[in-house]
Amino acid sequence: ELKVEQNPLFLSMQEGKNYTIYCNYSTTSDRLYWYRQDPGKSLESLFVLLSNGAVKQEGRLMASLDTKARLSTLHITAAVHDLSATYFCAVLPSSAGGGADGLTFGKGTHLIIQP
Amino acid sequence: NADVMQNPRHLVRRRGQEARLRCSPMKGHSHVYWYRQLPEEGLKFMVYLQKENIIDESGMPKERFSAEFPKEGPSILRIQQVVRGDSAAYFCASSPGVSSNTEAFFGQGTRLTVV
Repeated sequence: ELKVEQNPLFLSMQEGKNYTIYCNYSTTSDRLYWYRQDPGKSLESLFVLLSNGAVKQEGRLMASLDTKARLSTLHITAAVHDLSATYFCAVLPSSAGGGADGLTFGKGTHLIIQP
Repeated sequence: NADVMQNPRHLVRRRGQEARLRCSPMKGHSHVYWYRQLPEEGLKFMVYLQKENIIDESGMPKERFSAEFPKEGPSILRIQQVVRGDSAAYFCASSPGVSSNTEAFFGQGTRLTVV
């Protein structure tokens, strides 16, 4: 059974600081996703990482994937209050068909950025 | 993504009643996935459907839960004889196919409360 572990689960930080969220998974994977969820809202897709060494950046967020270590990171640079949300990583195992079939989610990282 | 339409957004049912959750995929998408999210948890895969076919229902409880995606109309997740433990947010996602570049988009979710 695929296991996806995120840490930390809760993070409170000051604006302007940098921090990294980690996502470890237990089996080989073709794809890893990062999502953002605001309270009471749906999931917003942030990044899709498809290959070893993939790095994607959007604004103050940067995601990377190391398939050999089965590790993805989401790095936040110079955090701002608007980035407060819950961030999920989700992994598609190599045996799955595609789309969202059988995505396994981490428990999420609740990020609070204080002014 | 607002283009994946779920309704109702909020649903309250008494124990023993039936709950019907609807999902209209994005235009051009023929693959639908249902996920359940318990408070403070990540999403758990339930079922993957294509038009008129259930492809993978490995995450569905064996009893009381069923899903369909008819040729015409939305996908329906049906929960019979609801119990308090069914209270959760139910998210639907859709995708156009299962190629390696396929990405699924999530609806706003239906928040089911069983009283």
